[in-house]
Order: sequence, then C-alpha cells, then structure tokens
Amino acid sequence: GDSVTQMEGPVTLSEEAFLTINCTYTATGYPSLFWYVQYPGEGLQLLLKATKADDKGSNKGFEATYRKETTSFHLEKGSVQVSDSAVYFCALIPASGTYKYIFGTGTRLKVLA
Amino acid sequence: NAGVTQTPKFQVLKTGQSMTLQCAQDMNHEYMSWYRQDPGMGLRLIHYSVGAGITDQGEVPNGYNVSRSTTEDFPLRLLSAAPSQTSVYFCASSRDRADNSPLHFGNGTRLTVT
Repeated sequence: GDSVTQMEGPVTLSEEAFLTINCTYTATGYPSLFWYVQYPGEGLQLLLKATKADDKGSNKGFEATYRKETTSFHLEKGSVQVSDSAVYFCALIPASGTYKYIFGTGTRLKVLA
Repeated sequence: NAGVTQTPKFQVLKTGQSMTLQCAQDMNHEYMSWYRQDPGMGLRLIHYSVGAGITDQGEVPNGYNVSRSTTEDFPLRLLSAAPSQTSVYFCASSRDRADNSPLHFGNGTRLTVT
C-alpha cells in the first residue's frame, strides 16, 4: 500500500543553519504531497503542498519540490530560526482520490539560539 | 475564529471505563476525521465522516465509535477503555475532499488509560 518515510529525528541545528528533512513516498500514480507542522501543544497545520510532478510548494521560507523520478518531497529552508522548532510531518493523499491522508512518523526539529 | 475545538485537553481513565471525546468545528466543513498520534507511528486515521449522517472506518477503528448527527459535531466514543488506547487524539476537518482543502486540526486530547 501507499506509505511515507521520513528521516529519523530529532534534528538539532543552530540558528541560521540550512535545513533539510528528507521524505520519500511509495504510491501508485501521482499522489498529492504535503508538509504539515506541529508546534508544541498544538494540532498540525498545513505548511505547504504540491499536487503534481515538478511542482514546488513554498511557505514561510520553507520549500519542497515534488520529484516523481526519486519519489521524494524533501523539505528545505535556507536559514532556520528558533521559532521553527516543531515536529514536521510529510503526508500524501493517494491518487485514487480516496482522500485518506497517509502521514509519516514526523521529524522533530530543535533550533538553538 | 474558533476553528476546530476539542474537549477535554487531558483525561485519565481506568481500564473498562467509557468516555466521549468531543469535537466541534464552526467552519461548515463537510469532512471530519479522528486521528491518534503515537510515538514513532505518526498519525493514524480512526474514523471519518464526509457529511452529516455518514461515517466510515479508517485504519484503526477497533474500540471506537463515532456519529455525525450535525455538520458541526463529530464525537469519538471509547466503549471500554484499554491501556493500548493511551494516546493523543486529534480531530481534523476540511471543506471537502479536494486536494486544495487542507486539514484543520484541533489542539488534541491527551488520554491515559491505567
């Protein structure tokens, strides 16, 4: 079945460092891909999305590109801030249109001042 | 805007007790769902609803019941709590089932079953 694999955390970075969080997926056809972020004590919220191959989603300085050839959707940010400390979830909606999100296990990011 | 409201925020139950986790949204969203979040396992779908009067099972439905009598409310019932149901529970809603309708999450209910 469809699945999402994220890199293990936690990831600890200094402020202004470059961030990459890897995400790969297994799915038939062209699923829609998402990154959600969970700040401490809160529910998840959408960070960015891409719905077709080669699309780039971006928001708040974060970017991710839908790579069909490598089945990847890696999250990047050029300069992280302490306020970016959170748990990041990669997710997909299958191409079959069932609208059942499949989430990765989440990657915790800690940014130190 | 209230968005998605979950109550309670914390709950401790003894094995065998029953309870209902409440979820309400004020965005007139068609789609509502319940997830549980466990360490190392991400979010897993318990039950979902595509509109009032319609519910369906997700990935891990056993031990839980839901109903959707109104568009706004989607309560989750634990019939006989077990320690394996210790988890953080999230309710989420979206306008519809289109890819451009993101999920809106509540702040979660942390449940401990002893």
